[in-house]
Amino acid sequence: NAGVTQTPKFRVLKTGQSMTLLCAQDMNHEYMYWYRQDPGMGLRLIHYSVGEGTTAKGEVPDGYNVSRLKKQNFLLGLESAAPSQTSVYFCASTRGSGNTIYFGEGSWLTVV
Amino acid sequence: AQSVTQPDIHITVSEGASLELRCNYSYGATPYLFWYVQSPGQGLQLLLKYFSGDTLVQGIKGFEAEFKRSQSSFNLRKPSVHWSDAAEYFCAVGGVSGGNKLVFGAGTILRVKS
Repeated sequence: NAGVTQTPKFRVLKTGQSMTLLCAQDMNHEYMYWYRQDPGMGLRLIHYSVGEGTTAKGEVPDGYNVSRLKKQNFLLGLESAAPSQTSVYFCASTRGSGNTIYFGEGSWLTVV
Repeated sequence: AQSVTQPDIHITVSEGASLELRCNYSYGATPYLFWYVQSPGQGLQLLLKYFSGDTLVQGIKGFEAEFKRSQSSFNLRKPSVHWSDAAEYFCAVGGVSGGNKLVFGAGTILRVKS
């Protein structure tokens, strides 16, 4: 089973460029999440979705946009990348409350 | 607001010694609690989870954790550490309202010396 798949795995951007991270899950999960991981800060929630067509802000949403046009996909966009967005990004999904949350393998993004 | 505190940023133990990683949480309702492990350059692997019932939870790789409601703690333990356990460990509280979100602690880096 593929589980949660993130693309791309690695990317280097110049300041001001835009890009989109794709998260795909094949488990028919309703809930999907985007987290960023920075040293000494654990994982912080950027945006999340509780179903197709819905999105909501998490703890650190500024500078990011998301879309959930299809149930299996959750896209994270950076419209104008900044060095502060250099991070490791993790996507996750779950069936719902009380269920295990599954994580992708991460996307390493560097903004120079 | 919901929060998770892992008081120890780094811990070093000798191979074969016992291990306890501390986790305290702040959450108004009955929490769902998780421990994840992350090896360098890798994703997160679920070690164990507590949803309800028995407060002593067994996980993979010989780990266990005990939920203590009176202390708002969910400490992770292993009786004998192996060199391959060196990694970063994250405690998280889940089921957070408005989206079943996970809130993570800052992590504890475990070093194992031979």
